[in-house]
Amino acid sequence: EIVLTQSPATLSLSPGERATLSCRASQSISNFLAWYQQRPGQAPRLLIFDASNRATGIPARFSGSGAGTDFTLTISSLEPEDFAVYYCQQRSNWPLTFGGGTKVEIK
Amino acid sequence: QVQLVESGGGVVQPGRSLRLSCAASGFTFRNHGMHWVRQAPGKGLEWVAVIWYDGSNAYYADSVKGRFTISRDNSRNTLYLQLNSVRADDTALYYCTRDIKALYIDFWGQGTLVTVSS
Repeated sequence: EIVLTQSPATLSLSPGERATLSCRASQSISNFLAWYQQRPGQAPRLLIFDASNRATGIPARFSGSGAGTDFTLTISSLEPEDFAVYYCQQRSNWPLTFGGGTKVEIK
Repeated sequence: QVQLVESGGGVVQPGRSLRLSCAASGFTFRNHGMHWVRQAPGKGLEWVAVIWYDGSNAYYADSVKGRFTISRDNSRNTLYLQLNSVRADDTALYYCTRDIKALYIDFWGQGTLVTVSS
């Protein structure tokens, strides 16, 4: 099973600041990685797929990068609605797996 | 618009069975693979199972393999998850989700809560 390790567990930032979230895979997964956002009390939503492709309707301030084992989700300038938990997910190998999540909280 | 509405959750005793359902609408159900994903209270996401668009194939997380069965009825636009021999660690909110033909998930229902307790 491929283990995805997200860091940091919690990121404390102010609106307008840049957020950089990391996801590291236990073995190479090429670019087969997605990012999801989960706001409190809501279902997750897809932000990024195949490491760097924004999903439909996702603002340009969200960007993804990386390949192999190291991946990054960047939010260029935090909006109030961006304070949430973010998960990465791989589709390279069975079983599909999610990372443990990074909570982006208001500082 | 796409809607996924789960039902069938509740309190179940350890070792018993439960069947979850998911009614899909707003898209051509038979064209999409479907997943179940769960989230224990206050915890992260755990992928459970996927079924191909035509029901020809299914894959499971190791934690549920041999106990849970995913199935679908394309004539009824409905996805199912049969939970057998449930354990306390199966307690979670179970989400019905749609695959975007690449083993990523683009739509999520609101979930149905399963609580395993004696």
